[in-house]
Amino acid sequence: DTAVSQTPKYLVTQMGNDKSIKCEQNLGHDTMYWYKQDSKKFLKIMFSYNNKELIINETVPNRFSPKSPDKAHLNLHINSLELGDSAVYFCASGGSGNTIYFGEGSWLTVV
Amino acid sequence: GQQLNQSPQSMFIQEGEDVSMNCTSSSIFNTWLWYKQDPGEGPVLLIALYKAGELTSNGRLTAQFGITRKDSFLNISASIPSDVGIYFCAGHFPQKLVFGQGTRLTINP
Repeated sequence: DTAVSQTPKYLVTQMGNDKSIKCEQNLGHDTMYWYKQDSKKFLKIMFSYNNKELIINETVPNRFSPKSPDKAHLNLHINSLELGDSAVYFCASGGSGNTIYFGEGSWLTVV
Repeated sequence: GQQLNQSPQSMFIQEGEDVSMNCTSSSIFNTWLWYKQDPGEGPVLLIALYKAGELTSNGRLTAQFGITRKDSFLNISASIPSDVGIYFCAGHFPQKLVFGQGTRLTINP
């Protein structure tokens, strides 16, 4: 079973649309994250949630709204998509010893 | 914001060669992590380091937590084709990991 699973893996959509990416972890962790990887492969944190509560919002535009219905799920909704939102979005969950485990990524292309 | 400087940015080596890459920071960390990312996949944890001076191995991989707590290195011995990928260092701040820019490893058979 995949420990951190996110869907969809690939998403192509037009500017102005609204889209969501879902994430689930079966590791029993309390903390979940969204990271963004740009075209230069740089990984940057967007959000951190601990037990459904927002801990970190790393100056992400309001168009990005995470939702955590329970501590095993952290979904990412994006409104009014822009060309610059094209990237790979990784969901992750935090384990013991400050380790973080990543999902396989969601490749978002805005056209 | 917090930033890690990882070098080299890319490496082109022959199969069988040893590889070394490192990460430095202006901040002190309590945890250093090393990840590998294959094309089309998410980063996978390779090694976690928790104490200054700690040296930890995982097969042909060896990583060390610098004495100053501001740096770490990763060595890969006797490289093989499946070592190809992007390697990331990461330092743990409260509530998040901060990543280096990555080292892209290419291996010529």
